[in-house]
Amino acid sequence: EAQVTQNPRYLITVTGKKLTVTCSQNMNHEYMSWYRQDPGLGLRQIYYSMNVEVTDKGDVPEGYKVSRKEKRNFPLILESPSPNQTSLYFCASSLGGGSQPQHFGDGTRLSIL
Amino acid sequence: GEDVEQSLFLSVREGDSSVINCTYTDSSSTYLYWYKQEPGAGLQLLTYIFSNMDMKQDQRLTVLLNKKDKHLSLRIADTQTGDSAIYFCAERKRDDKIIFGKGTRLHILP
Repeated sequence: EAQVTQNPRYLITVTGKKLTVTCSQNMNHEYMSWYRQDPGLGLRQIYYSMNVEVTDKGDVPEGYKVSRKEKRNFPLILESPSPNQTSLYFCASSLGGGSQPQHFGDGTRLSIL
Repeated sequence: GEDVEQSLFLSVREGDSSVINCTYTDSSSTYLYWYKQEPGAGLQLLTYIFSNMDMKQDQRLTVLLNKKDKHLSLRIADTQTGDSAIYFCAERKRDDKIIFGKGTRLHILP
């Protein structure tokens, strides 16, 4: 089954403790992206990647890192999480640009205390 | 700026047409999208339109694009209770960055 898989689905952690949210897709998609969704703010793009070893900043990259060493994986890294990074995070992938639809994961709800 | 603006709420009676509006600021956007998000779920692409098109129809969905005014709309004909969701407008820029609006919550009245 074609899917985008995020892990974990839920995480409660403390300020400053490094964490990684994994994202994996099995559709051989080139484009992958991370978003955060906050009430009243909609979705905001954090980082995106057009292909392996190519990553670009989205709208709100501060406090986040990503890597794209393999086509299928696009982990989101919070080196020193802070409470303002408490949010619902979505990973998405698409075959390429333009008309190709993005497939979204089920979301990861992060709470940073 | 890079804003995509939408009204936050829309209430429509079941069976009527729903029209959700969106404005954007970047005239060089390549594609514009409409996504649907149901409670507790991720986003599902409903439809998209290339920036050199004016209109696209797909079953109950009609997308209208006024490039001069940078205005996009989504019309849902014969609105059903299953259409109750949050609808997001999004634009794809030339550098492939994607900007989403804040979403319009569609509420269906019986």
